[in-house]
Amino acid sequence: KNQVEQSPQSLIILEGKNCTLQCNYTVSPFSNLRWYKQDTGRGPVSLTIMTFSENTKSNGRYTATLDADTKQSSLHITASQLSDSASYICVVSGGGPYSSASKIIFGSGTRLSIRP
Amino acid sequence: NAGVTQTPKFRILKIGQSMTLQCTQDMNHNYMYWYRQDPGMGLKLIYYSVGAGITDKGEVPNGYNVSRSTTEDFPLRLELAAPSQTSVYFCASSRWGTDLNYGYTFGSGTRLTVV
Repeated sequence: KNQVEQSPQSLIILEGKNCTLQCNYTVSPFSNLRWYKQDTGRGPVSLTIMTFSENTKSNGRYTATLDADTKQSSLHITASQLSDSASYICVVSGGGPYSSASKIIFGSGTRLSIRP
Repeated sequence: NAGVTQTPKFRILKIGQSMTLQCTQDMNHNYMYWYRQDPGMGLKLIYYSVGAGITDKGEVPNGYNVSRSTTEDFPLRLELAAPSQTSVYFCASSRWGTDLNYGYTFGSGTRLTVV
């Protein structure tokens, strides 16, 4: 069964600290993986996208890694800010560029809280 | 450029009532989607559309209906609301295809409570 598991479910850190969020998936065949940020009461907004051949991709203070062999991805946040408080959702697409929307599997997210 | 607009933002329904969740996008995107997000769960696909006049079921279509008469609009109809339909509903769109690679733009959601 295609699944996306995220850990931890929730995380609280102090402002200025770093953190790493994990995503394990069993989606097959693998096409690509996106990390989304979802602020409370808002829709998800894309942070990064990674394809099979990419290991690392950065977007400002966000760095995503992908290990396609172990089917794991991580999102590292550097020097956290209060505005980073949100849910971070890992989404995996299987089946290639013309695959059905049903091949896209969403994780349940990690709720990150940044304390001053 | 408003992106994806959903209305209403909040709604309380009584069991058995019906309603339509509105979704419109101004980006000329061909592909549109409806998801529901339950607490502690990942988004689940309800219905999607690859263009005007074409719709298809997602993972959890029961109790819902959709139509796509124009490129811009993709309303979601709930008939005979049930407590199990209490959720946050997100509409999304993409321009070139359904794969994640093409980037989905999400609306801000409609929080629906059925009592």
